[in-house]
Amino acid sequence: SQTIHQWPATLVQPVGSPLSLECTVEGTSNPNLYWYRQAAGRGLQLLFYSVGIGQISSEVPQNLSASRPQDRQFILSSKKLLLSDSGFYLCAWIFGQGAAGNTIYFGEGSWLTVV
Amino acid sequence: KQEVTQIPAALSVPEGENLVLNCSFTDSAIYNLQWFRQDPGKGLTSLLLIQSSQREQTSGRLNASLDKSSGRSTLYIAASQPGDSATYLCAVRRATSGSRLTFGEGTQLTVNP
Repeated sequence: SQTIHQWPATLVQPVGSPLSLECTVEGTSNPNLYWYRQAAGRGLQLLFYSVGIGQISSEVPQNLSASRPQDRQFILSSKKLLLSDSGFYLCAWIFGQGAAGNTIYFGEGSWLTVV
Repeated sequence: KQEVTQIPAALSVPEGENLVLNCSFTDSAIYNLQWFRQDPGKGLTSLLLIQSSQREQTSGRLNASLDKSSGRSTLYIAASQPGDSATYLCAVRRATSGSRLTFGEGTQLTVNP
């Protein structure tokens, strides 16, 4: 069966410090991978998605970046965090190159508080 | 640009009541619509996935309907239980390039014992 792991689960970082959130998927190959952010009281916002190794698409301009060094690994990074980067970050994947009929699966999320 | 709206934003009901959550979207050119459940501080769990060609999907006490032409979906929960308390989100997947999902803001449901 397929599983998705995301870490760390919680993180408190000072303004200006770097960030690295990691997501890995097991039990499948060549998934589409996504990073979403959920600010307090808000809906989910797509930040990045990737259809393959080294292929990253950004949905919104921001202080963050993403990388996909391996097929089932997706990393969200920042060189210098801002207060506005605080939120709940979710990694997700879809099987089969994002075929239309497939369900999206989410990780447990990472709580980031920038202080 | 696709916009997804969920009404109501919050709902509190006594245990045993049947309830309906609403989701509307502005662009009817979708591949599918998915309903999720999110417990506080947790990730999302997929509940039901309705393809654009389908009218409804059922899983246990949950029934989701889709009226693509009018841009609406409903999630019906029968005989609600305190364990159903969570935030419910709907998301639509575009019929254009890529596989992006657009989410609603969610409905926060509280079922009181």
